[in-house]
Amino acid sequence: DQQVKQNSPSLSVQEGRISILNCDYTNSMFDYFLWYKKYPAEGPTFLISISSIKDKNEDGRFTVFLNKSAKHLSLHIVPSQPGDSAVYFCAAKGGGSNYKLTFGKGTLLTVNP
Amino acid sequence: GAGVSQSPSNKVTEKGKDVELRCDPISGHTALYWYRQSLGQGLEFLIYFQGNSAPDKSGLPSDRFSAERTGGSVSTLTIQRTQQEDSAVYLCASSLAKASGGAHRSDIQYFGAGTRLSVL
Repeated sequence: DQQVKQNSPSLSVQEGRISILNCDYTNSMFDYFLWYKKYPAEGPTFLISISSIKDKNEDGRFTVFLNKSAKHLSLHIVPSQPGDSAVYFCAAKGGGSNYKLTFGKGTLLTVNP
Repeated sequence: GAGVSQSPSNKVTEKGKDVELRCDPISGHTALYWYRQSLGQGLEFLIYFQGNSAPDKSGLPSDRFSAERTGGSVSTLTIQRTQQEDSAVYLCASSLAKASGGAHRSDIQYFGAGTRLSVL
């Protein structure tokens, strides 16, 4: 039973446009959400996070939105750059565990020049 | 500074052999985590260490899997009598502080590049 779902395996956008990556979760006890970026042959790199007490967190070109009622979060990248091309993982923490991250399967983002 | 270091980066073994995977966390990080990523899947939690203790081993898939951490630093994940379904990328992560609930920057898990294990 997947508690964190990324339903789009891949996404392709043009350089300069907005990239929107989506994530849904089923466990209402999750209270902290993170996005990681992964390049081939490298480990996941922390990108941005959001607490369940907030609905938005912004860091430069990256913004994460959280809709608790819909159990949905999204990552917006504006403007998208070719160097953003990577696999993006959504992860969640909480629900009785203070350390275990539950990951989605990832979305491959390709930003075309 | 140095990140999380894992070795070997690639390991090919025959079914039934034992393997040891090593993780060297970021200096000063007290918490250490092992995950694995099978083909087409997300990262799956295996085990968590706080210092040298492993409060939660529930993610280990079977009793063929074990892990230890010594000196509050290096950790070794051992898989005995490897099976083909053990083939995956094994990732180690560390965080600065003792894991806690909610949103704390010190809880951010930093990952190594992983060990790609192939069991033939």
